[in-house]
Amino acid sequence: GENVEQHPSTLSVQEGDSAVIKCTYSDSASNYFPWYKQELGKGPQLIIDIRSNVGEKKDQRIAVTLNKTAKHFSLHITETQPEDSAVYFCAASNEDQFYFGTGTSLTVIP
Amino acid sequence: DTEVTQTPKHLVMGMTNKKSLKCEQHMGHRAMYWYKQKAKKPPELMFVYSYEKLSINESVPSRFSPECPNSSLLNLHLHALQPEDSALYLCASSQEEGRDTQYFGPGTRLTVL
Repeated sequence: GENVEQHPSTLSVQEGDSAVIKCTYSDSASNYFPWYKQELGKGPQLIIDIRSNVGEKKDQRIAVTLNKTAKHFSLHITETQPEDSAVYFCAASNEDQFYFGTGTSLTVIP
Repeated sequence: DTEVTQTPKHLVMGMTNKKSLKCEQHMGHRAMYWYKQKAKKPPELMFVYSYEKLSINESVPSRFSPECPNSSLLNLHLHALQPEDSALYLCASSQEEGRDTQYFGPGTRLTVL
């Protein structure tokens, strides 16, 4: 099966700085890579996703990059704000099921 | 509209109780999922219904029993739970199983005494 690793497990940044979270996957058949943001006491919310036929996708302050050869993908958040503080999960799907990373707890310091 | 609703929001039950969690979506999705999430951990897949057909994660104990009355509704029946079953139970749905975006509900926070 698929194995998804996520780093770092915790990340603190100053407000306005950028944050980068990285994930690697093992199954070359994986072709869909969503990112979820989970705030305390809430369910995961999709913030951005990318499919394997695309190398980069951007939505305002959030971007995701995918390197299929190296089997890794990254979430980039620019101009971070305190409301970006949450746990972020990456996932990889090989048309079987979602395999989640272990999560990154992001704290944006005002 | 990408909303998945879950009830109740919180549930406290004893080990001898029987209770049910409910989930509903009106996006016309054909796949629905139950996940269990412990604190500071990723969601763990418990069950998948695709076109109202169940796929079981064989590691899930039989004290959890899913039910899919129709393509919009998903229930999780709970019986004789253990304290270690205390967790956030998340429902999700997607257009098709596996390769499509999954939309999560807010979860039910379950405490087993």
